[in-house]
Amino acid sequence: GQQLNQSPQSMFIQEGEDVSMNCTSSSIFNTWLWYKQDPGEGPVLLIALYKAGELTSNGRLTAQFGITRKDSFLNISASIPSDVGIYFCAGRNGGGSQGNLIFGKGTKLSVKP
Amino acid sequence: GAVVSQHPSRVICKSGTSVKIECRSLDFQATTMFWYRQFPKKSLMLMATSNEGSKATYEQGVEKDKFLINHASLTLSTLTVTSAHPEDSSFYICSARGIRGSEETQYFGPGTRLLVL
Repeated sequence: GQQLNQSPQSMFIQEGEDVSMNCTSSSIFNTWLWYKQDPGEGPVLLIALYKAGELTSNGRLTAQFGITRKDSFLNISASIPSDVGIYFCAGRNGGGSQGNLIFGKGTKLSVKP
Repeated sequence: GAVVSQHPSRVICKSGTSVKIECRSLDFQATTMFWYRQFPKKSLMLMATSNEGSKATYEQGVEKDKFLINHASLTLSTLTVTSAHPEDSSFYICSARGIRGSEETQYFGPGTRLLVL
């Protein structure tokens, strides 16, 4: 079945540093979504990407839909302590009732003040 | 603000009882709703997919008679864990997919922590 490889698995960074994480797949997706999950909470949608090559920003977050449609990255600039959490990428290759989300295994981000 | 609500947020029940969890999309119509289960420090595991007015599609290994799903309207889906046992203790998260704004996307509820004693 389809799999998403998300890396890195975890990151320990200093406050103010930039962060980059990515997801790759052996299959093509037509939608990439990035979520953040805090402990004990449901994932919160950060950025949604719908077109190959699309580059979208949300505040300090920037994500891109790879040209090959098999990868996506998420960048966080000037990290702050509240960026701590687990970030999941998710891809889908169908709409409507088809094409369930395929999730990466998550990137756990720790930010040291 | 929240786009998808889930209730209750936490529930503790005795073994053998049934627990119902509600999931509502607040400002859009969810053509499809999903139920996930998440174990500690793990990614989300899809349990079932449901479309309004039709039977849910369960993932392999998920017992449909144990995890009853009802998708009665475009804004409400319920998951009932029947005859719960301690091994059913977990974090259950619903998700709703639909058109909000101009694009179809998928939002998650805040999750329900279930503890079966």
